[in-house]
Amino acid sequence: DTEVTQTPKHLVMGMTNKKSLKCEQHMGHRAMYWYKQKAKKPPELMFVYSYEKLSINESVPSRFSPECPNSSLLNLHLHALQPEDSALYLCASSPPGTSQETQYFGPGTRLLVL
Amino acid sequence: AQSVTQLDSQVPVFEEAPVELRCNYSSSVSVYLFWYVQYPNQGLQLLLKYLSGSTLVKGINGFEAEFNKSQTSFHLRKPSVHISDTAEYFCAVSPDYKLSFGAGTTVTVRA
Repeated sequence: DTEVTQTPKHLVMGMTNKKSLKCEQHMGHRAMYWYKQKAKKPPELMFVYSYEKLSINESVPSRFSPECPNSSLLNLHLHALQPEDSALYLCASSPPGTSQETQYFGPGTRLLVL
Repeated sequence: AQSVTQLDSQVPVFEEAPVELRCNYSSSVSVYLFWYVQYPNQGLQLLLKYLSGSTLVKGINGFEAEFNKSQTSFHLRKPSVHISDTAEYFCAVSPDYKLSFGAGTTVTVRA
């Protein structure tokens, strides 16, 4: 298995809803990442987990809450989002070893906040 | 700090013609360089990477890139493009966990 999977592919939610995005990999990678990508822009790093511990939070608003239940799974819990949070959310993972290891991306979840 | 500049925001090219996408970086430390491709409505796919060794790197789908330390460049090339190469291309640099992406280059291949 050489891929990162993300569910759902598309998500529409209201500003009062609570939803979760899910990311899974079975490549034995020990670093996992959440990125946000707006249209026609490069991805922006949100969070990094290393060995299931949060190692980087790029000053992301608390309405985004990451969770890493185990080495294969990464969640992003969403609550009270704003319309400007509409974007493509990408998950990535990288192998254990040096911090320069290549990141492998999933297909993304396209989120629309109404 | 490190940054990446992609010198062309849009590159239109005819099918079977060559293409070059330019990428310059700045960094005060040793870096690792990547090119990713994003097809419409998809995630990012790694095309190739430079970590060390030979400065000419070959990737998937016939792409190659050359690392030039003196010019701090990592330009991407393909000798003959296909319609299916229409996509957004991102150059990225990473001295650590954080990938710094360029703004992207939109390649549109026309018949």
